[in-house]
Parts: sequence; C-alpha cells; structure tokens
Amino acid sequence: QVQLVQSGAEVKKPGASLEVSCKTSGYIFTDCFLHWVRQAPGQGLEWLGVINPTVGRTSYAQKFQGRVTMTRDTSTSTVYMELDNLRSEDTATYYCVRAGDAETAMEFDFWGQGTQVTVSS
Amino acid sequence: QSVLTQPPSASGTPGQRVTISCSGSRSNIGSNYVYWYQQFPGTAPKLLIYRNNQRPSGVPDRFSGSKSGTSASLAISGLRSEDEADYYCAAWDDSLRGVLFGEGSSLTVL
Repeated sequence: QVQLVQSGAEVKKPGASLEVSCKTSGYIFTDCFLHWVRQAPGQGLEWLGVINPTVGRTSYAQKFQGRVTMTRDTSTSTVYMELDNLRSEDTATYYCVRAGDAETAMEFDFWGQGTQVTVSS
Repeated sequence: QSVLTQPPSASGTPGQRVTISCSGSRSNIGSNYVYWYQQFPGTAPKLLIYRNNQRPSGVPDRFSGSKSGTSASLAISGLRSEDEADYYCAAWDDSLRGVLFGEGSSLTVL
C-alpha cells in the first residue's frame, strides 16, 4: 500500500531554516511527481512546489522562489523540503503529496500525515 | 489571479443536492483539468474528483464534477451528515506555472 511518512513536528525561531522529510513506500518512487502543500491554521491549502523524482527537477511557487529547496534521495525513496528564513507566517502544517497522474503531474491521490511547523520567537 | 474563487460556505439538508462553484481564468481552469478535495478537521485532504469529472474508486457516485469554460462545479446529491467538511478545487495555472487551490468551501449539513 502506498504510504508517505513525514518527519515530526518542528518549532523554529524566525530566521531559521526548516527541513521536512517524506519517505515514500508501496510504489515505484520514480513513477510519480511529489508536491509540497501547506495549510496555515484555519486557512486554505497553498502549493509550495513539485519535484520530479526521476531527474530531481523542481518547480516552485513564485511566492517561495529563493526560499524553498526540494530534493530527493532515490536510494531511500525520500523527498525533502527545505524552507529558509522562516517567519511567523510560515506556521502551518506541511504535507507532501503524491501526484498519481504521470501525464499531468496533478491528481493528488496520496497525502502524507502532515508535519506541524511553528515559527515563534 | 493567485487563487481560484469559491464560496466560503455552502449548506443543505439531508437528501438535498448542493453545488459548490470554483471560478478561475483561461490560464488555469480554462486550459487544464480541475480537481476537488474533501477535508475533515485535523486530517489531510482526500481526492474526490480528478480530471474534471472522474471519481477515484471508493468515492460515492453522489459526488460529481463538471467544468465549463473558466468555471467548475462540485455537486453532492443525497446529502448526508458525513459530507460535512471543507471542499477545495485545484488546477494547474499555465501563466503562474504552478498549482492553484480554491479558497475552500465549508459545507454544513443542517
């Protein structure tokens, strides 16, 4: 069965960096793009970017360009999301999400459990 | 436009049919597929509709999606109390080169 297991909750100070990992299993890692989506408390969903696990190519939301980096480790079927220069507005639950449709790289069919991140001084 | 427009709330009584709209533009809904997600409090969203009107296995046929031009709709027929949740639409945006989500609609079953 497909599983996306994310790293645990984090508390960070403003200006610090965050790294969230997402270990996948139950499917061929390079078959599906992986996205990162976040949700601030009481707010809607916000897309951060996507990584192609086969070649490591990424595409980031304009809002996060220069501040976010997504990488992958094919040996462990794990993707990572690093967000730099954190501010209080980055307090949110971060999800890694599998895109099951290889043609469109959309269709978010499996979601990680979410990683709660709090940014506070 | 950095977000797709949804009504903040929707409501209906058990058995009724409700629709939730999602409005975008030519660069997103007008050019690409629309997806719908259902989210219960404290849980990750779940894929409800893909490629405008397709249901993943396990999603009841009470849920249906449609698209026309730069707008899309999610319809829920035979409303049940367990349908009370937040609903989000999503689409790729060719101009922004990224995924746009709707603002979300909170469905209340009266």
